Amino acid sequence: NAGVTQTPKFQVLKTGQSMTLQCAQDMNHEYMSWYRQDPGMGLRLIHYSVGAGITDQGEVPNGYNVSRSTTEDFPLRLLSAAPSQTSVYFCASSYLGSGTQYFGPGTRLTVL
Amino acid sequence: DAKTTQPTSMDCAEGRAANLPCNHSTISGNEYVYWYRQIHSQGPQYIIHGLKNNETNEMASLIITEDRKSSTLILPHATLRDTAVYYCIVRVGGGGSNYKLTFGKGTLLTVNP
Repeated sequence: NAGVTQTPKFQVLKTGQSMTLQCAQDMNHEYMSWYRQDPGMGLRLIHYSVGAGITDQGEVPNGYNVSRSTTEDFPLRLLSAAPSQTSVYFCASSYLGSGTQYFGPGTRLTVL
Repeated sequence: DAKTTQPTSMDCAEGRAANLPCNHSTISGNEYVYWYRQIHSQGPQYIIHGLKNNETNEMASLIITEDRKSSTLILPHATLRDTAVYYCIVRVGGGGSNYKLTFGKGTLLTVNP
């Protein structure tokens, strides 16, 4: 079991560029989510999904898009990167109804 | 979900027990108490959770007061590798479509040699 994997580990973008952060899990979890963590802050929920084809917004969804075409993958898209999106992004997954979430190692994104 | 209050930071000597408190005075009857930790630069890691009974696993023990308004996470023999930010989270268990975890700022536990 690889658990939750995220790619890339590090990324530097220029303002206005777009990119996709990848997240995959091999535990057959229905629930997947994206968080961002700014320096000295707790994690804030961006988007989440309770199954393939079903996504919803978290507390800070602006500037981000998601889709869930398979159980395993939950990519996060930045359409036009802004310096305010400089952060560490974590993907997590769990079985539905479980508060035990498994987190990936994170993607460190810098937007210049 | 109920809000939680934790101290900003705590110190503990290596080999001693670390007792991390959490206040959740507005907790509802169907809300569980979860503990996660985040070692520097890594993703959060699940530790333990409970509803009203005390719980123990290979990592830690969770003591929940009888009125459920507060809890304590106990690391029985802290090591340097336990230095991390510890998050106490309260969330509704069971079914429903919203399974999010609401992270606060947590407690930075520093284990000293």
